Amino acid sequence: NAGVTQTPKFRILKIGQSMTLQCTQDMNHNYMYWYRQDPGMGLKLIYYSVGAGITDKGEVPNGYNVSRSTTEDFPLRLELAAPSQTSVYFCASGPVSSGNTIYFGEGSWLTVV
Amino acid sequence: GENVEQHPSTLSVQEGDSAVIKCTYSDSASNYFPWYKQELGKGPQLIIDIRSNVGEKKDQRIAVTLNKTAKHFSLHITETQPEDSAVYFCAASRAGGGADGLTFGKGTHLIIQP
Repeated sequence: NAGVTQTPKFRILKIGQSMTLQCTQDMNHNYMYWYRQDPGMGLKLIYYSVGAGITDKGEVPNGYNVSRSTTEDFPLRLELAAPSQTSVYFCASGPVSSGNTIYFGEGSWLTVV
Repeated sequence: GENVEQHPSTLSVQEGDSAVIKCTYSDSASNYFPWYKQELGKGPQLIIDIRSNVGEKKDQRIAVTLNKTAKHFSLHITETQPEDSAVYFCAASRAGGGADGLTFGKGTHLIIQP
C-alpha cells in the first residue's frame, strides 16, 4: 500500500519559474491537504480539499494554486517562484469517517534561488 | 482560529528515562488531539491520538493525557530508546467539525542520549 506519494523529492527553481508538486493517494480518502514546513515553525496549511472539484484556502495560500480533478490527485502549483517559497512541502490525506486524522507523504524539498 | 503552543522546543534525556512534551490550545471547541513523530528526511507519522471524551490513552511506551478544563495535553514516552530521537508535533482540531486540517505546534526535538 503506497499511501500518499509526492513527486519530486527535491527541486531547485530559479526566481520567477513555475512548477507543480504532484501528490497522489491510493487510500480513497476524500480529504487532502498541502502543508509547508519551515525550520522551527511547524506545519502551515496552504490549501485543502474535501473532495473532487472542491478546494479551499488554508492559512498561507498566497503564491500557490491547487486543483482536485480526481479523488486520488491533488497537485500544488507555484506560478512565480520566490525565495520565500523555499521550504519543505507535505501532502496529506484523510478519510471523512475519522474526523481530522491525516496521513502525510514523505515531503518535497524545494529551493528557490 | 486555533492556536497551539508546544514546549519544550528541544528535550534531551538519557536513554531509559522518561520524556514529557506539553501542548496547550486556545479553542475550547477543539476535540481531537493527535501526536506526530517526524524522523529526519521523512514525513510526519501519526503515533497516537486522543479525543475529548477520554482523559488518557496508552500504547505500549507512549501515553497521551488530556485536560480539557486547562486546555492542555501531553505526550509521555517511558523507557526511552535511541529510535525515539525525532521531532514530535502536537496538533488540535475539531474532529468532524471541518476539513480545514489540523493546527500544529512548532515541534519538539527529542534527543536520546546513550
